Amino acid sequence: GQNIDQPTEMTATEGAIVQINCTYQTSGFNGLFWYQQHAGEAPTFLSYNVLDGLEEKGRFSSFLSRSKGYSYLLLKELQMKDSASYLCAGMDSNYQLIWGAGTKLIIKP
Amino acid sequence: GAVVSQHPSRVICKSGTSVKIECRSLDFQATTMFWYRQFPKQSLMLMATSNEGSKATYEQGVEKDKFLINHASLTLSTLTVTSAHPEDSSFYICSARQREYEQYFGPGTRLTVT
Repeated sequence: GQNIDQPTEMTATEGAIVQINCTYQTSGFNGLFWYQQHAGEAPTFLSYNVLDGLEEKGRFSSFLSRSKGYSYLLLKELQMKDSASYLCAGMDSNYQLIWGAGTKLIIKP
Repeated sequence: GAVVSQHPSRVICKSGTSVKIECRSLDFQATTMFWYRQFPKQSLMLMATSNEGSKATYEQGVEKDKFLINHASLTLSTLTVTSAHPEDSSFYICSARQREYEQYFGPGTRLTVT
């Protein structure tokens, strides 16, 4: 079956760094996505990885290891506005997104 | 670019009535649109995949007669919740696919059935 696993909730301090992990099992693989979702709003795209390695985009970076079925989202210099849910999604061979349950990130001052 | 709109953003309806939600890709043509439902503190649940000009493909457990989907054009898909009940109250989100790796979300519609 297809499955995406990520932690339910994480807490971090403003200004610090946090890493949100995701493991995936999909039927075929066409990439791994990370989305940010603030409460009451729709998800917004953060990153897409299809090759192994680290993709850096400002304060956010995303890593993929296809052999391990593993990805992480790294957030640096955390700001209060980063408090949100972070959704990991794998794209299968039919280009369908398989969604994780999301990780609620709580930022404390 | 790549903007998806949804209308209405919020709707309150009485039990037994029907509600239509529109999803539009404003600046691109979307051959495929997706409808999701999200309950509080839960992740997105794919309800159906809609291709322009053909019948929608519903996920297991989603009643096709209750959730009517029409994808009449390359820029518009509609979801009609028929005979709504309080348990249908949820956040409904559409997304439109421009290319295989590019999927853009609408802002969502919060439905409350009283």
